Amino acid sequence: QVQLVQSGAEVKKPGASVKVSCKASGYTFNDYYMYWVRQAPRQGLEWMGRLNPNSGVTNYAQNFQGRVTLTRDTSIRTAYIELSNLRSDDTAVYYCARLRGADAFDIWGQGTVVTVSS
Amino acid sequence: DIQLTQSPSFLSAFIGDTVTITCRASQGISSYLAWYQQKPGKAPKLLIYGASTLQSGVPPRFSGSGSGTEFTLTISSLQPEDFATYYCQQLNSFPQTFGQGTKVEIK
Repeated sequence: QVQLVQSGAEVKKPGASVKVSCKASGYTFNDYYMYWVRQAPRQGLEWMGRLNPNSGVTNYAQNFQGRVTLTRDTSIRTAYIELSNLRSDDTAVYYCARLRGADAFDIWGQGTVVTVSS
Repeated sequence: DIQLTQSPSFLSAFIGDTVTITCRASQGISSYLAWYQQKPGKAPKLLIYGASTLQSGVPPRFSGSGSGTEFTLTISSLQPEDFATYYCQQLNSFPQTFGQGTKVEIK
């Protein structure tokens, strides 16, 4: 079964960092770009960055440049997003999603709630 | 970045109605458009890709059309489980941006 399973909810204080994992199963991890998308409460979907698991090459949305880092561990088929210098408006659900060719994001993780509060 | 504008942002409909959601791109994207359905507390679910190809397992009451800059998602005979928020996404160029969403509610 093709799936992405994300790590659990996090509560962080402003200024801290958070790292969320996304474990892939049921397909060849290296063959598909991994994207990260977030959704603030009652808001739409916001693209944050993408990772080529094969090469490790990353691209980031301008809004998050300097604060976001995408990495992966191919030995355990897991992608990571780390967001630093957290602010209250980073409170959101963070999703990983697989890009299938040029078609669509066909597989999504279940989401990880990150709450930033003092 | 390519901007996608969905209309309407909100619509209210009866079970059994046919509804249409429009997605307009700020520049031509050929047929590189996908539609997703999202229910509260859940991840988005792929419905349609390539503007009009139904993802496996998606009921045929969902259909998509369009190319270039204007696209539509049509839901025929709306069912209770179809009440959700729908997003379009362009995959013509990086970054693969999303529309702002259309919430479909029961009248």
